[in-house]
Amino acid sequence: KQEVTQIPAALSVPEGENLVLNCSFTDSAIYNLQWFRQDPGKGLTSLLLIQSSQREQTSGRLNASLDKSSGRSTLYIAASQPGDSATYLCAAPNSGGYQKVTFGTGTKLQVIP
Amino acid sequence: GAGVSQSPRYKVAKRGQDVALRCDPISGHVSLFWYQQALGQGPEFLTYFQNEAQLDKSGLPSDRFFAERPEGSVSTLKIQRTQQEDSAVYLCASSFGQGATNEKLFFGSGTQLSVL
Repeated sequence: KQEVTQIPAALSVPEGENLVLNCSFTDSAIYNLQWFRQDPGKGLTSLLLIQSSQREQTSGRLNASLDKSSGRSTLYIAASQPGDSATYLCAAPNSGGYQKVTFGTGTKLQVIP
Repeated sequence: GAGVSQSPRYKVAKRGQDVALRCDPISGHVSLFWYQQALGQGPEFLTYFQNEAQLDKSGLPSDRFFAERPEGSVSTLKIQRTQQEDSAVYLCASSFGQGATNEKLFFGSGTQLSVL
């Protein structure tokens, strides 16, 4: 059974800082990994999806990397802004041939103006 | 529709009541998932549909939970005889196909269920 851990649980940074969020997973036989953002009282928004054949994906100020052999993924946020404040969740699939994913408990990010 | 739509947005139920939560996935999406999210936790898988077929219900916590998707589009999650431990946000997600490596999951805003 896939288990996903995210560190740190919470992070507070001043505006403009670069930061890294960490995700680790136990079953490395994954075909992709997704990073999501969740704002308070809202659903999840997909940020980045990395396929198992890729090592990283970039979207704007976000960059996600994947190292299957070590069971780790990182989300790098450049030049953080107050609007980046949210909870960031990573999700790794379980075996089963469809996207039954296991989520981490998330990293709650606060960017201070 | 443009996104995954869930209703109601909030539901307050008295212990022992039955509730029904609705999910409208993105039009044409084959796969539909229900997740349960407790306060401060990540979402936990409940069940999965591929079109109208419920292929996995291993995450349903008890036989009081029942989900259906009779025509392969709209889905309903029903909880019978609600208990306080059922209080959570129930999230619905859909994806276009059956789990290709480049498919993203699209989530609705969820239904926040409070059982008093």
